[in-house]
Amino acid sequence: ETGVTQTPRHLVMGMTNKKSLKCEQHLGHNAMYWYKQSAKKPLELMFVYNFKEQTENNSVPSRFSPECPNSSHLFLHLHTLQPEDSALYLCASSQEPGENYNEQFFGPGTRLTVL
Amino acid sequence: AQKVTQAQTEISVVEKEDVTLDCVYETRDTTYYLFWYKQPPSGELVFLIRRNSFDEQNEISGRYSWNFQKSTSSFNFTITASQVVDSAVYFCALSEAILSGGSYIPTFGRGTSLIVHP
Repeated sequence: ETGVTQTPRHLVMGMTNKKSLKCEQHLGHNAMYWYKQSAKKPLELMFVYNFKEQTENNSVPSRFSPECPNSSHLFLHLHTLQPEDSALYLCASSQEPGENYNEQFFGPGTRLTVL
Repeated sequence: AQKVTQAQTEISVVEKEDVTLDCVYETRDTTYYLFWYKQPPSGELVFLIRRNSFDEQNEISGRYSWNFQKSTSSFNFTITASQVVDSAVYFCALSEAILSGGSYIPTFGRGTSLIVHP
């Protein structure tokens, strides 16, 4: 595997389900990010982890719970979601700080549908 | 607060036409970074370019070129001789050099969907 991978690619869940999104980066980066991309809104940064420590939580509802066990893996745990949470969830990684400051590498995303 | 505006929601061109995607930004910082990303139908955003606020040199990479104008707070992207494979959503982004906790918070524009017809 190379780059940034995300699983699953598609997920359909009910509002009472609990599921998790997984992201793995194979680039040796130390920072990882979760973004939400909705049809009608700009790309929204949700969480940032740097060296496994959460450095940003961009006012995300508690029904989204991130976990970063190491600098290569990032999870987004989902529970009691709402239909408006349906979106494409993108994971990204970067090396901070570094020569290529702020250059983020993105995964293909998980298309989430909440029924 | 930082803001990025991509006024063009969708642009449709015929192959081999030149096309310019506009990006206007707002920031109170003197040090910041600007980016362009491409999002093909497969979903993942692909980094195209980063420019820091102190480097106003325009850049050309093959058929792609970028025009950074601090005086008008614009960072426009031109594709010369467009091809069908250029069809994608293109995002402009801005990051202020804040390094809060060692990270930064980028702001993305809403994106411009480029459709190149054969």
